[in-house]
Amino acid sequence: QITLKESGPTLVKPTQTLTLTCTFSGFSLTTRGEGVGWIRQPPGKALEWVAVIYWDDDKRYSPSLKSRLTITKDTSKNQVVLTMTNMDPVDTATYYCAHRRAKAQIDYWGQGNLVTVSS
Amino acid sequence: EIVMTQSPVTLSVSPGERATLSCRASQSVSSDLAWYQQKPGQPPRLLISGASTRATGIPARFSGSGSGTEFTLTISSLQSEDFAVYYCQQYNNWPGTFGPGTKVDIK
Repeated sequence: QITLKESGPTLVKPTQTLTLTCTFSGFSLTTRGEGVGWIRQPPGKALEWVAVIYWDDDKRYSPSLKSRLTITKDTSKNQVVLTMTNMDPVDTATYYCAHRRAKAQIDYWGQGNLVTVSS
Repeated sequence: EIVMTQSPVTLSVSPGERATLSCRASQSVSSDLAWYQQKPGQPPRLLISGASTRATGIPARFSGSGSGTEFTLTISSLQSEDFAVYYCQQYNNWPGTFGPGTKVDIK
């Protein structure tokens, strides 16, 4: 059974750096094809891919956010960490951690972590 | 980046009726299309992948069709638990863009 859980701050100030951690179980990021990513959803709005990392350390970033993002994995802890620099109020959203296999759909989601950017 | 559009924005349906939701891609995504259901305060739930394959545990009243740029999600007989927002998503190209969603509400 695959589960994912996000952890991190609920409030950050403008210009600060956001760090979110996804802790997962039920699969390993050392297994060929496995991937973990982040999708965000502003309040009342649609979903947007942010970043994904795969078993072979291949990383993909949203083109519009790429300069601000870093995604890393710690396979010994079954964790994926997302950092986003220079946070702005428009980045206010629920950030979901999710599982996908390479070239496939998202099949498991975490419960989400609402991040508000405000001074 | 592939742009996904969905119609209608809102669909008002009575319980027991059929609902048909549409999704269009700005360029071909083959059959790399998924549908998700989202209820308030919950994460999305995978319904359909590969345009027409139901995910594990999804009732048979949900069906998907289409390929290329035009896709349809059909709910054959709406149950009370089906009132939600539905998103399509292409995963043919990175980033796997989502549509803006269709809200299915009670008529």
